[in-house]
Amino acid sequence: DTGVSQNPRHKITKRGQNVTFRCDPISEHNRLYWYRQTLGQGPEFLTYFQNEAQLEKSRLLSDRFSAERPKGSFSTLEIQRTEQGDSAMYLCASSQPTGQAFFGQGTRLTVV
Amino acid sequence: KNEVEQSPQNLTAQEGEFITINCSYSVGISALHWLQQHPGGGIVSLFMLSSGKKKHGRLIATINIQEKHSSLHITASHPRDSAVYICAVRSHYGGATNKLIFGTGTLLAVQP
Repeated sequence: DTGVSQNPRHKITKRGQNVTFRCDPISEHNRLYWYRQTLGQGPEFLTYFQNEAQLEKSRLLSDRFSAERPKGSFSTLEIQRTEQGDSAMYLCASSQPTGQAFFGQGTRLTVV
Repeated sequence: KNEVEQSPQNLTAQEGEFITINCSYSVGISALHWLQQHPGGGIVSLFMLSSGKKKHGRLIATINIQEKHSSLHITASHPRDSAVYICAVRSHYGGATNKLIFGTGTLLAVQP
């Protein structure tokens, strides 16, 4: 499968725990985006990588959130001390500089 | 007011009907995407367009840059078309990021 892959697909965690999600983009895509989608809403931008460099972060990304793309390939998104408000679908997308964005299946996080 | 507005928010159609979903945006854009999202979260990119019209199978997307408006049409609709259809724009204000700004989606249900 050469599409965008996200793991895990679902994550249930207790409030206060840390969670980490992974995104494997399409291999030749140098741009990688993280978005968050809550129920009934469209996705909202969280952060963007060009190769290994994190070039933009949304104000939605509080200091409990951190994202990395260490080798310019896969990316991880970590949420520390999770809160119930973090419950959402976390979507990863990759693209070439001006090309079409391809999305993963998303990771659905539920904080209980 | 959202930068990307879609209408209608919900749409129920009978199998075989011609369907139109509208998208209006208020920012300058370099491209507009139409996306499809099924229950479970995964997003599939249907079209990326910056002018004119594109057709793929039973789907047609049009854009009028002057009026800042786009439409997605589905001909001969089928129950398998039932999904959330999302309009997203790549804003000029995104700079080098090319991040997408999403509408809230149109929930389409096609009944047999």
